[in-house]
Amino acid sequence: GESVGLHLPTLSVQEGDNSIINCAYSNSASDYFIWYKQESGKGPQFIIDIRSNMDKRQGQRVTVLLNKTVKHLSLQIAATQPGDSAVYFCAEDDPGGSYIPTFGRGTSLIVHP
Amino acid sequence: NAGVTQTPKFQVLKTGQSMTLQCAQDMNHEYMSWYRQDPGMGLRLIHYSVGAGITDQGEVPNGYNVSRSTTEDFPLRLLSAAPSQTSVYFCASSYAGNEQFFGPGTRLTVL
Repeated sequence: GESVGLHLPTLSVQEGDNSIINCAYSNSASDYFIWYKQESGKGPQFIIDIRSNMDKRQGQRVTVLLNKTVKHLSLQIAATQPGDSAVYFCAEDDPGGSYIPTFGRGTSLIVHP
Repeated sequence: NAGVTQTPKFQVLKTGQSMTLQCAQDMNHEYMSWYRQDPGMGLRLIHYSVGAGITDQGEVPNGYNVSRSTTEDFPLRLLSAAPSQTSVYFCASSYAGNEQFFGPGTRLTVL
């Protein structure tokens, strides 16, 4: 079946560094991708999204890059802060029309002060 | 707006008991879904709804029932709880083709 996965389950960085979290997807027909942040004990929160007609989208300190050729998605966090410590999930929208996304396993980002 | 609310926050059941996890949203979203999250795992879809009166199964539907009589509410019923259903349950809602809004979760333990 189709799947969304992450290359690195845990990423440790120093405060102030830039972080890059990667995600591979297998369904070339997926047309909408979302990154979520989940802090301990809370539900996932939307960070940023990108549609398949774009290669890059920027938010506040975050950038999502989409490479459709190799079916790869990345989330870049600039000047990582301790408050960025969380699990990050990528999700791809079901192109079959249900609009219910499929989630990857998640990457735990640990930011050391 | 309260967003997506879930009750209860915590629940302990004995094997074989039944219960309903409540989920409500006040954003007039047509899409609602239930996920379970196990330690170190991502979110697995249990059931979802694309509008009032319409529900469908997700990846792991066995042992769970849902109904969607109103746009706002999407309860999840455990018919006969089993230890394998110990998990954290999240409800989410969205407009079609847009990001989901998640509730705070219900932590369920089945003994």
